[in-house]
Amino acid sequence: DTAVSQTPKYLVTQMGNDKSIKCEQNLGHDTMYWYKQDSKKFLKIMFSYNNKELIINETVPNRFSPKSPDKAHLNLHINSLELGDSAVYFCASSPRGAQVRRELFFGEGSRLTVL
Amino acid sequence: AQSVAQPEDQVNVAEGNPLTVKCTYSVSGNPYLFWYVQYPNRGLQFLLKYITGDNLVKGSYGFEAEFNKSQTSFHLKKPSALVSDSALYFCAVRDGRNTDKLIFGTGTRLQVFP
Repeated sequence: DTAVSQTPKYLVTQMGNDKSIKCEQNLGHDTMYWYKQDSKKFLKIMFSYNNKELIINETVPNRFSPKSPDKAHLNLHINSLELGDSAVYFCASSPRGAQVRRELFFGEGSRLTVL
Repeated sequence: AQSVAQPEDQVNVAEGNPLTVKCTYSVSGNPYLFWYVQYPNRGLQFLLKYITGDNLVKGSYGFEAEFNKSQTSFHLKKPSALVSDSALYFCAVRDGRNTDKLIFGTGTRLQVFP
């Protein structure tokens, strides 16, 4: 059983298009995250939601809009895609209680290529 | 602000030899430290963590890490490397004064040669 699942796994699109990546976790966790991994494998946090409430919003362009319909889902919508958005996007989740102690559980990633 | 550094882009080791992947951190509060591994085209997998207590932490696949407060380090170690350990390893830190963010290092590629 997949714990954190993301769709699609691969996404190739043209500049200027709008696309979405979906994430679902079946671990019963309260907190979900989006991380971006660039071509050099650097991982940077983008957003964090706790029980549908936004708690972290790093300096991400407002073309990126996360949406959390419920605590098991955190989707990422990207408007007006640019070449620099090409990356692997990882969804992750963790329990909320004693959060400082909690590791994150990652999905398999969604590779976005903007042409 | 919290940060974590992995000074080596790549570590090469022969199978059967001990391995060390280095990590140093900077936080304003108490550090909470993690190691993750990423295999090609896969997500990150949790290996081990230091929260409090014993400075030597044991984790998955025979890995361990030693927390050293005076040197602000949390190096990952394994007594005997396997070819299958070849992967990208990430150190991460959460600051006790800013617990929402888990900040990752730049990653170290471990190559184990037969």
